[in-house]
Amino acid sequence: ETGVTQSPTHLIKTRGQQVTLRCSSQSGHNTVSWYQQALGQGPQFIFQYYREEENGRGNFPPRFSGLQFPNYSSELNVNALELDDSALYLCASSPAGAGASEQYFGPGTRLTVT
Amino acid sequence: RKEVEQDPGPFNVPEGATVAFNCTYSNSASQSFFWYRQDCRKEPKLLMSVYSSGNEDGRFTAQLNRASQYISLLIRDSKLSDSATYLCVPTGGKLIFGQGTELSVKP
Repeated sequence: ETGVTQSPTHLIKTRGQQVTLRCSSQSGHNTVSWYQQALGQGPQFIFQYYREEENGRGNFPPRFSGLQFPNYSSELNVNALELDDSALYLCASSPAGAGASEQYFGPGTRLTVT
Repeated sequence: RKEVEQDPGPFNVPEGATVAFNCTYSNSASQSFFWYRQDCRKEPKLLMSVYSSGNEDGRFTAQLNRASQYISLLIRDSKLSDSATYLCVPTGGKLIFGQGTELSVKP
């Protein structure tokens, strides 16, 4: 096991609602990245947090936002949910940035939007 | 051109076979590369890191061709437990995953 935990495991929401997903990084890791993985696709980079600051963002709209806390845990917030937001949301932690460092993934949160 | 393109698969091979997957990438600045494996409905797990021309770990060999911008993964003596989706990840500021290549090893 990687030591990265995510909650909840599964979630069902209605279109237009808001959702918050949580991630606890591996001990000693100060960087957290979030990914969205649709069925049959590879993970798509949403954004990364390093020492509580956003450190890079993928092609996702502003209704996807995040936070990182002093203990390096993180949240992903999605507002105004759309049906296409249904996916597996993965959190990954690393000791220093995403560019050169191996990342270790949590088990993911499976979000279904109806 | 997509940033990362992988063999579409699925690859269906018998136990004991040797199988190779290819991955091409568009960012010539990528310095390091990772192969992850992902089991069905599970998170990706790091399989191998490649920082130079290649890497070997038991039955798994990764080779990097910087001139042609592709990286390959070779699996020898395939096991049933190797059945998974294999994700190629070149780095360059952020991790960009390919869409994955599915491998199914049959008895």
